Amino acid sequence: EAGVTQSPTHLIKTRGQQATLRCSPISGHTSVYWYQQALGLGLQFLLWYDEGEERNRGNFPPRFSGRQFPNYSSELNVNALELEDSALYLCASSAAGLPTDTQYFGPGTRLTVL
Amino acid sequence: GQNIDQPTEMTATEGAIVQINCTYQTSGFNGLFWYQQHAGEAPTFLSYNVLDGLEEKGRFSSFLSRSKGYSYLLLKELQMKDSASYLCATPKRDKIIFGKGTRLHILP
Repeated sequence: EAGVTQSPTHLIKTRGQQATLRCSPISGHTSVYWYQQALGLGLQFLLWYDEGEERNRGNFPPRFSGRQFPNYSSELNVNALELEDSALYLCASSAAGLPTDTQYFGPGTRLTVL
Repeated sequence: GQNIDQPTEMTATEGAIVQINCTYQTSGFNGLFWYQQHAGEAPTFLSYNVLDGLEEKGRFSSFLSRSKGYSYLLLKELQMKDSASYLCATPKRDKIIFGKGTRLHILP
């Protein structure tokens, strides 16, 4: 069974540009979580989607947005990129719409903003 | 508050035992996760404790005390491949909060 997949692996952008990151959950999983992992800050919760709807978002500005498609894959969009957006962006999926479910992580997208 | 605290770094010797502690806010408690993350890789699930006590899984065990807001991960017979960051996390009603992780260095 395939795990969580993310694309691209690496992404290099310049300040002010927009970035789109993609995530495919484990087959049968309906929940997708997005996290930002910057150096020294640990995993910061960004967004949670379940059954196509946004269930919650973390303490990030509105230029961080996303969506979940009918096949449960998800997209994270970051507009007006800033240098401090450089980080590893991790996507995780779980089987049902509960934060108590075990989350399975993808390999991440390394975003570098120059 | 949503504080979840764990030591930043620890060092131990191959073959030894190490205990990684985690403290968390007890309000709205829904269990405590431990994840392992090797450098440059995704976190992988280790354990999930909901009830007090020690749960053993091979060389790794996880302990929980709900009244004290305290958990630890115990790693026995340390191997070089155990060099990684260990993240504790608490699920809340509508998200999961991760600690900053403990970077464990194993010396030969």
